[in-house]
Amino acid sequence: AQKVTQAQTEISVVEKEDVTLDCVYETRDTTYYLFWYKQPPSGELVFLIRRNSFDEQNEISGRYSWNFQKSTSSFNFTITASQVVDSAVYFCALDLLQTGANNLFFGTGTRLTVIP
Amino acid sequence: DGGITQSPKYLFRKEGQNVTLSCEQNLNHDAMYWYRQDPGQGLRLIYYSQIVNDFQKGDIAEGYSVSREKKESFPLTVTSAQKNPTAFYLCASSGTSEKLFFGSGTQLSVL
Repeated sequence: AQKVTQAQTEISVVEKEDVTLDCVYETRDTTYYLFWYKQPPSGELVFLIRRNSFDEQNEISGRYSWNFQKSTSSFNFTITASQVVDSAVYFCALDLLQTGANNLFFGTGTRLTVIP
Repeated sequence: DGGITQSPKYLFRKEGQNVTLSCEQNLNHDAMYWYRQDPGQGLRLIYYSQIVNDFQKGDIAEGYSVSREKKESFPLTVTSAQKNPTAFYLCASSGTSEKLFFGSGTQLSVL
């Protein structure tokens, strides 16, 4: 069975601190995609990154970085020098590509609050 | 601007009533999806459609129905059979990039 676990329900940090959001996934498939989405108070989910299972290179985009480790089935997300605008709920998701459509399995989300 | 439009933003349902949530996209995407989000939980897939006039049940389809008569539109009906309809509903679409684009959601509450 497939599962995505985001053990951190809520995190609060002071502005300019670094913060890491954890994501652990379970699947027996060898081919899959992993995603991170941001859900600001407005409600819509905003795509942040997609990583396929064959690409374990870490990625950096501005203040955001992602650490993908297949050995531990983890896909963690780090925000460097956090800002108030980073306050949102962040979701990690797994796509098994079984049906040809995007059937994402979402974690329960981590609510990040950045305190000014 | 291209994107996904969901309406209304807030919707109230009376007992025994069917209500329909609208989702329109102008991204020319073939696939569209409906997700349900409950507080403190992740999103769960209700229905999805890969092409016009075709759709499949997701993980929690009971009490819901959909139609896909046009590529741009994928309305979701919450029927009276759905006993716990209060939730935040998100519509999404995808093209060839496996990336989902989401609407801003509809909050459904029961009166």
